[in-house]
Amino acid sequence: AQSVTQPDIHITVSEGASLELRCNYSYGATPYLFWYVQSPGQGLQLLLKYFSGDTLVQGIKGFEAEFKRSQSSFNLRKPSVHWSDAAEYFCAVVSNFGNEKLTFGTGTRLTIIP
Amino acid sequence: GAVVSQHPSRVICKSGTSVKIECRSLDFQATTMFWYRQFPKKSLMLMATSNEGSKATYEQGVEKDKFLINHASLTLSTLTVTSAHPEDSSFYICSAGTSGNPYNEQFFGPGTRLTVL
Repeated sequence: AQSVTQPDIHITVSEGASLELRCNYSYGATPYLFWYVQSPGQGLQLLLKYFSGDTLVQGIKGFEAEFKRSQSSFNLRKPSVHWSDAAEYFCAVVSNFGNEKLTFGTGTRLTIIP
Repeated sequence: GAVVSQHPSRVICKSGTSVKIECRSLDFQATTMFWYRQFPKKSLMLMATSNEGSKATYEQGVEKDKFLINHASLTLSTLTVTSAHPEDSSFYICSAGTSGNPYNEQFFGPGTRLTVL
């Protein structure tokens, strides 16, 4: 069965500093990969997704992620965080066969300090 | 495009009553809708998958008689929490996908906060 690991439960970053959130997946083939952001009490907003092609994908709000097949990773990065980036971030994968279920990581809570 | 709405956004009810939550795809036809439950500071737990016009498929451990799901049209799915109890208090999120989407992408609603007193 596929699984997603987000090793960092909580990360604190200073405003203006760079950010990297880790995501590792376990799956027999290359799945489709997603990063979502959730602000408190809100639904999920899609930041970016990877299906195929260029392994560096750009998303909204200045985020990017790099797919590394050899490491089974899909880490999210941002060069300079803003206070508004404080939220919960979820990595998710879905099979590339048919209409199957999303598997979510446990999430990483991002705190921004002035 | 690909907007999903949920109604209500918040609901408070008394123990023993039933609550219905609606999930609508506003600008596309959703052949499949998913219902998730999220506990505080936790990830999303898939409760069930519903396809338009057929019975929902529930995940292991989810009581189908307690969480009734109806997907009567290509734009509307409903989740009814029957005889709600305080332990059913949670954040419920729906998502929708289309059979024409080759990447199995799901579009999420804003969620419904249920509080059972």
